[in-house]
Amino acid sequence: DAGITQSPRYKITETGRQVTLMCHQTWSHSYMFWYRQDLGHGLRLIYYSAAADITDKGEVPDGYVVSRSKTENFPLTLESATRSQTSVYFCASSESRGFTEAFFGQGTRLTVV
Amino acid sequence: DQQVKQNSPSLSVQEGRISILNCDYTNSMFDYFLWYKKYPAEGPTFLISISSIKDKNEDGRFTVFLNKSAKHLSLHIVPSQPGDSAVYFCSRGSGNTPLVFGKGTRLSVIA
Repeated sequence: DAGITQSPRYKITETGRQVTLMCHQTWSHSYMFWYRQDLGHGLRLIYYSAAADITDKGEVPDGYVVSRSKTENFPLTLESATRSQTSVYFCASSESRGFTEAFFGQGTRLTVV
Repeated sequence: DQQVKQNSPSLSVQEGRISILNCDYTNSMFDYFLWYKKYPAEGPTFLISISSIKDKNEDGRFTVFLNKSAKHLSLHIVPSQPGDSAVYFCSRGSGNTPLVFGKGTRLSVIA
């Protein structure tokens, strides 16, 4: 089935550990995005990518690394997890940067202890 | 600088009545406004959009109004149903900028 999938759905990690959140889409959309959702902040953009090997920072990029070697995958890595990175992370894909709808995955709930 | 603001964290409406969710925005760089709906433990889903060249867009029970002079948009849901209970996010974007979201408004439709 076409769609966008994130894995894992839930993750608990310790402070200082590296953790990677996976995102895969089957639409062949050019654009992919990572957002985090926190109470009181709504959805904030972490990074986005316009195509393979092209990535750009969003509003809250510090502490995160992304890569896009294949169009369909856009992993998000927390190099050294901190408690402030406890959040729900959403991956999305779209045909455009910002004037068409973006399709979101189901989210990954990450807890850093 | 938050470019879209949803000033009401929550809203309660009786079933069958109108729900009005509001969003204010700053500057005028962006061309498109999109509303998303989010249920718990799910990703946001697109609801309805409006281009800055329009004043109104309607899709079934959902209508979005854009008041460019006031830099304000609103989402009307008529009639409201219990299944509409969710968090609604206002967002804006353009060909040059990714979607920027507001903080969301939690709508509760009471049967």
